[in-house]
Amino acid sequence: DQQVKQNSPSLSVQEGRISILNCDYTNSMFDYFLWYKKYPAEGPTFLISISSIKDKNEDGRFTVFLNKSAKHLSLHIVPSQPGDSAVYFCAEHSGNTGKLIFGQGTTLQVKP
Amino acid sequence: DAGVIQSPRHEVTEMGQEVTLRCKPISGHDYLFWYRQTMMRGLELLIYFNNNVPIDDSGMPEDRFSAKMPNASFSTLKIQPSEPRDSAVYFCAVHSGPLGNTIYFGEGSWLTVV
Repeated sequence: DQQVKQNSPSLSVQEGRISILNCDYTNSMFDYFLWYKKYPAEGPTFLISISSIKDKNEDGRFTVFLNKSAKHLSLHIVPSQPGDSAVYFCAEHSGNTGKLIFGQGTTLQVKP
Repeated sequence: DAGVIQSPRHEVTEMGQEVTLRCKPISGHDYLFWYRQTMMRGLELLIYFNNNVPIDDSGMPEDRFSAKMPNASFSTLKIQPSEPRDSAVYFCAVHSGPLGNTIYFGEGSWLTVV
């Protein structure tokens, strides 16, 4: 029973174009939603987050959108670069309990 | 770099053997998490601790799995007996404070049970 779902296992995008990674969640009790990036043989690293009271957060090429009514989260990367090729995990975090739950991950490939 | 050190980095063991994975974070973090990465479930939360006390172990798959945190700078995840389906990458992560962006992962322990 997956609380955080990333329904697309993989995504392939041309360099310079936009990458859109999607995530759905079931539990609305979490305070923050996060995106992590993972390269092979390394641990995940934090990319960007959004508070549950906001609907958009932007950091350079990365923008996260939160649609609370649809329980949907998305990460936009524009323009995409080959170095962005990695596995991207979305996660939800509760500031109250400290619990942090991840999705299955989406493998992004950015082609030169 | 929050200095989360995991060991061993790689382990190959035979089915039925005991496996102990270790995590040594730099002290000062309130929370410690153990995750397992698989293709099907992604990063699966196994257990997490707050101030060295286990808070939620509902993700531990079976009684064969156990975890301890005797102090703020050390935690273990033990599998006894191990089975081939336990083969995965196991990650330790630490976190402090209310914000979700202060969570740091180790590099993982790659376990293969044959």
